[in-house]
Amino acid sequence: EIVMTQSPATLSVSPGERATLSCRASQSVNSKLAWFRQNPGQAPRLLIYGASTRATGIPARFSGNGSGTEFTLTISSLQSEDFAVYYCQHYNNWPRTFGQGTKLEIK
Amino acid sequence: QVQLQQWGAGLLKPSETLSLTCAVYGGSFSDYYWTWIRQSPGKGLEWIGEINHDGNTYYNPSLESRLTISVDTSKNQISLMLRSVTAADTAVYYCARGETGMVRGVMLYWGQGNLVIVSS
Repeated sequence: EIVMTQSPATLSVSPGERATLSCRASQSVNSKLAWFRQNPGQAPRLLIYGASTRATGIPARFSGNGSGTEFTLTISSLQSEDFAVYYCQHYNNWPRTFGQGTKLEIK
Repeated sequence: QVQLQQWGAGLLKPSETLSLTCAVYGGSFSDYYWTWIRQSPGKGLEWIGEINHDGNTYYNPSLESRLTISVDTSKNQISLMLRSVTAADTAVYYCARGETGMVRGVMLYWGQGNLVIVSS
């Protein structure tokens, strides 16, 4: 099983500023990496797949980068709805696994 | 518009069987893999398993001995059964649509989630 490790656990950023979240895989997942945002009481929402492709309807302030074992999600100008928990997930093989999450909070 | 609606028992006793159903509305049912995921405070998000319209399954090895995922193509529904539950199975359970082809494994559409509590 591939272990996904996210850092930091909590990130404090001011609205309008940039946030960068990291995700590391215990072995290569190629570019088979997705990012999700989860707001309280809601299901996770797909933001990025293929490490860098935005899902339908996702604004351009979200960008993903990386391949192999190291990945980043950057949010260029934080909006109120972006203060949430973010998860990375690989889908390179089975079982699919998720990171433990990064909580993005208002500074 | 793709919608996934889930239902099932929310309170179970230890050793009972968890049973959830997910109905798919909109879009093609046969072109995708249908996935179950759960989320607990202790273990975060955990991929449970997936099935396609032909009944081909992939299960998480950590749950495989207690798990059955099935499909009813006449109703566009998938079901989850998890036997011999314990408190560790307490979680919010989600169904999701898994894409195929070049984006095999990407999960764009999710159900609303069902909280299942296991307690004596």
